[in-house]
Amino acid sequence: QVQLVESGGGVVQPGRSLRLSCAASGFTFNNYGMHWVRQAPGKGLEWVAVISYDGGNKYYADSVKGRFAISRDNSKNTLHLQMNSLRPEDTAVYYCVKDHSSSSLPDYWGQGTLVTVSS
Amino acid sequence: QSVLTQPPSASGTPGQRVTISCSGSSSNIGTNTVNWYQQLPGTAPKLLIYINNQRPSGVPDRFSGSKSGTSASLAISGLQSEDEADYYCVVWDDSLNGWVFGGGTKLTVL
Repeated sequence: QVQLVESGGGVVQPGRSLRLSCAASGFTFNNYGMHWVRQAPGKGLEWVAVISYDGGNKYYADSVKGRFAISRDNSKNTLHLQMNSLRPEDTAVYYCVKDHSSSSLPDYWGQGTLVTVSS
Repeated sequence: QSVLTQPPSASGTPGQRVTISCSGSSSNIGTNTVNWYQQLPGTAPKLLIYINNQRPSGVPDRFSGSKSGTSASLAISGLQSEDEADYYCVVWDDSLNGWVFGGGTKLTVL
């Protein structure tokens, strides 16, 4: 069965960096695009970034463009999100999401990892 | 302020039919297909409807989706207590070159 396990969350000061990881299993990782989606405490969902199956195409939300970088290691079935210049408004649960099997859209979600940006 | 507009709340009694709207523009719903997610309290979201009106396996046929012009709707018939959750629409936006979510609708089963 599909498993997505996020890690790397924690408390970080404004302006610092953090790197999230997502370990994927139960499917052929290098066949699927992958997303990061976040949810601030008590708020709605916000799409963050997507990367194509081979890492050749990447897109970002305007709110994180230039600060965050999505990447993947298909040899290790792992997705990453490098977050730089963090702001308090980046505080959220970050979800790793796999593309649908027959269409390019966010489908299966991990359980998320909490990032708190606070001094 | 979300690009897609959803009512913040909706409600119904068991057995009723409720609909949740999602309003967008020509660069998103007007051009691309709409997907819906259900988020039960304390859990990760789950894909409920994709490509406007397709149900993933395991999703009851009480849930249906539709799209017309720059708006979309999620309908839930035969409302049950376990349907109490937050519902989100999402679509690719050609102008923003990214996915955009609606603000979410909290469904209460009275």
